[in-house]
Amino acid sequence: GENVEQHPSTLSVQEGDSAVIKCTYSDSASNYFPWYKQELGKGPQLIIDIRSNVGEKKDQRIAVTLNKTAKHFSLHITETQPEDSAVYFCAASRGRDDKIIFGKGTRLHILP
Amino acid sequence: NAGVTQTPKFRILKIGQSMTLQCTQDMNHNYMYWYRQDPGMGLKLIYYSVGAGITDKGEVPNGYNVSRSTTEDFPLRLELAAPSQTSVYFCASSPKGLNTEAFFGQGTRLTVV
Repeated sequence: GENVEQHPSTLSVQEGDSAVIKCTYSDSASNYFPWYKQELGKGPQLIIDIRSNVGEKKDQRIAVTLNKTAKHFSLHITETQPEDSAVYFCAASRGRDDKIIFGKGTRLHILP
Repeated sequence: NAGVTQTPKFRILKIGQSMTLQCTQDMNHNYMYWYRQDPGMGLKLIYYSVGAGITDKGEVPNGYNVSRSTTEDFPLRLELAAPSQTSVYFCASSPKGLNTEAFFGQGTRLTVV
């Protein structure tokens, strides 16, 4: 079955610097790759997603890149701000009624 | 705009007790899900439903049951609670399936002692 590995588990960056979180997946049939942000005491919230027919997607300070050959995808946050501190999860899915597998999460700390 | 509402927010159960975690959504989404989140382990899908009257197992269904009698409600039943079921439970919904955005509730923190 699908396996999603996420690194690092914890990341600390200075405010204003960039943060990169990486995920790898095992099932080449996976075609949907969302990223969720979870703030303390809240449920996860989708921040960006990418499908397998696209190599990169941007939304303001957030971008996701996908390398289907290597089976990895990454989240890039530029100009980090204190409100970016949270736990981030990547995930992979093969289809509408198929399972979605989440990575174990990355706790991002933005240092003042 | 309520979205996905879960009750209760916190609960302590004794081993062997049973309880139902409630979940309701007001977005008219066909798909609903139950996840559990253990520290450092990400989210694991317990059960999901593609519409009223239809449910299916996820990754970790053992020890749980669900029903979907209406589009809005998707309760999760724990029978004979065990310490291994101590976790944070999230209900979520989406309009079109597991490969689209899911909207999560605030979670239920369950401790089994």
